[in-house]
Parts: sequence; structure tokens; C-alpha cells
Amino acid sequence: GAVVSQHPSRVICKSGTSVKIECRSLDFQATTMFWYRQFPKQSLMLMATSNEGSKATYEQGVEKDKFLINHASLTLSTLTVTSAHPEDSSFYICSALGQGGYEQYFGPGTRLTVT
Amino acid sequence: DAKTTQPPSMDCAEGRAANLPCNHSTISGNEYVYWYRQIHSQGPQYIIHGLKNNETNEMASLIITEDRKSSTLILPHATLRDTAVYYCIVGETGANNLFFGTGTRLTVIP
Repeated sequence: GAVVSQHPSRVICKSGTSVKIECRSLDFQATTMFWYRQFPKQSLMLMATSNEGSKATYEQGVEKDKFLINHASLTLSTLTVTSAHPEDSSFYICSALGQGGYEQYFGPGTRLTVT
Repeated sequence: DAKTTQPPSMDCAEGRAANLPCNHSTISGNEYVYWYRQIHSQGPQYIIHGLKNNETNEMASLIITEDRKSSTLILPHATLRDTAVYYCIVGETGANNLFFGTGTRLTVIP
């Protein structure tokens, strides 16, 4: 199956700093990628849809100026959490839409801890 | 936004078939049924999807009722590695905008 990677897998940062998370489709091109957030013992929540070469579409309640998404190539999307606060601590997961359009392939996730 | 209902948890004996039900009574004609699973602290894994016909792949079988208001995911011979949260999701053509509900926590017991 298609492989999606994320980097870093785990990051700890201080409050007020920014953190960038990378999502790569390793063996296929993805015009559409998605970013999710998952708090402990909760389900995944879609944050935004990222299309290559255009602005991301954010879900209601997700601040676009705080969660910056860039999808500059067909294999890479980045999520930057700006001015992070402890409440931003979460498991961030990306996915890429398969070329057939019927499957999302998920990355392994990035655990962010803001101290 | 989740338009499916699943039992919160289920147990299954190792080696037996695991049958995970899902109700999606408000599904519309162009919506597919998708199944994903998430093993603890990992990203979700695609399992299978279908529109109205039953589907089978190397991982599982998907049985969709004739009225499409419910479906069952079948893992034919459950192993300990199948312990995970299983999500049933309905979505339009193409896997855009998948809204994950609370899923079913399947525990495979030795």
C-alpha cells in the first residue's frame, strides 16, 4: 500500500514557540492532503484540507493564522503550529488522498507536547 | 457530523471471526461506507470500502444490507494484532472529508 511519513514523530517545545510538522507521500503523488488532531481518548478531528498549489481549507473553529499549512509539492505538506500553547498539545496526523480518490493513507502521527 | 452508530466496544476470541456492526440509516445514494482502524498511538489504517455490493480483500469482508442502512465488517480470523479502534465512516464519492466518530474498540482475547 501507499506510504505516508511524518516528521518528527515526537516533539516537545516551549510555550510561545512555533513547530513545523512535515507530511510526505513516499511512493505516490498526492494533490490532496489532510491534517487531523486527536486528543487523548478522543477520535480524530479534521483540521484542514490541503490542496497542492492552493490555499488550505480549514474546518470551522480551526484558526488558519495559528495552524499554517503549506502544500508546495505533490509529495509534501507542512503544518506549522505558531505560538504554541499547552492546550495545543495533541497527536497530529496527516493523510494523503490516494490516486484513485477512494482511500486516505495516514501517516504515523506526530505527538506534540507544549511545556 | 458523524453519521454512523457503532457499539463502543467488543471482545473477540483469537482465531474466531470478529463481526463489527455499523448503522448508517441516513446514508444517501452516492455515499460510500469506509472502514478504518487505529491501533494505539498510530495513524489510522484503511481497511475496505463499498457502495452497495459486498466487498472482500485480504484484510476483511464488508457486508452491506440491501437497504444500505447498516453494514458489518468481518475479520475472518482475528489475531491479537487486530486489537484496535475500528471506525465506520460514510462519505461521498472519493475519500474527502472523512469524519471519524467514536468507533468500536475491538479487543482480541487470547
